[in-house]
Amino acid sequence: NAGVTQTPKFQVLKTGQSMTLQCAQDMNHNSMYWYRQDPGMGLRLIYYSASEGTTDKGEVPNGYNVSRLNKREFSLRLESAAPSQTSVYFCASSQGHSWSYGYTFGSGTRLTVV
Amino acid sequence: SQKIEQNSEALNIQEGKTATLTCNYTNYSPAYLQWYRQDPGRGPVFLLLIRENEKEKRKERLKVTFDTTLKQSLFHITASQPADSATYLCAAQMDSSYKLIFGSGTRLLVRP
Repeated sequence: NAGVTQTPKFQVLKTGQSMTLQCAQDMNHNSMYWYRQDPGMGLRLIYYSASEGTTDKGEVPNGYNVSRLNKREFSLRLESAAPSQTSVYFCASSQGHSWSYGYTFGSGTRLTVV
Repeated sequence: SQKIEQNSEALNIQEGKTATLTCNYTNYSPAYLQWYRQDPGRGPVFLLLIRENEKEKRKERLKVTFDTTLKQSLFHITASQPADSATYLCAAQMDSSYKLIFGSGTRLLVRP
């Protein structure tokens, strides 16, 4: 099992450029999440999808959009990248939307905006 | 606002000793706490989940406690090994939504 697969692994963008981070899981999980991780700040939730067809904002949604394409795939889009969006982005999934299930994380996308 | 706090200073211990990491939370009483391990350049890996009525949970050399009076969870690794060196994150649902909030993690270094 691959678990949670994120692409790309690394990306450098210029300010104002757009890009989409891809995430797919093969565990038949219902819920999917996007986090960003910055030094000293821990993981912060950007958006989540409790189930196919639904999405909700997390702690830091500004500057991002998401699409739950199907049960497997949950993408994160930066419409106009800013240096403040330089971060490591993690996608995660869980069996249910309840916090009683542990999350499975991908290996991350390291994004630099110059 | 609701917060999860972990000691930002690294914990440096000798192999074979017990490592104890602390997670404190404020302004909310979560029904669950989770612990994750993160290695450099990798995503977090789920280790254990403890419910508020469980007080203590064990998995091999790992033990987690949950003290709702102190608003604190302790994470113990007994007979620690250099391979246990990593950053350990605690996480909890901190409101009535589905959001899981993470602490910033504590780095553990186990010396051979």
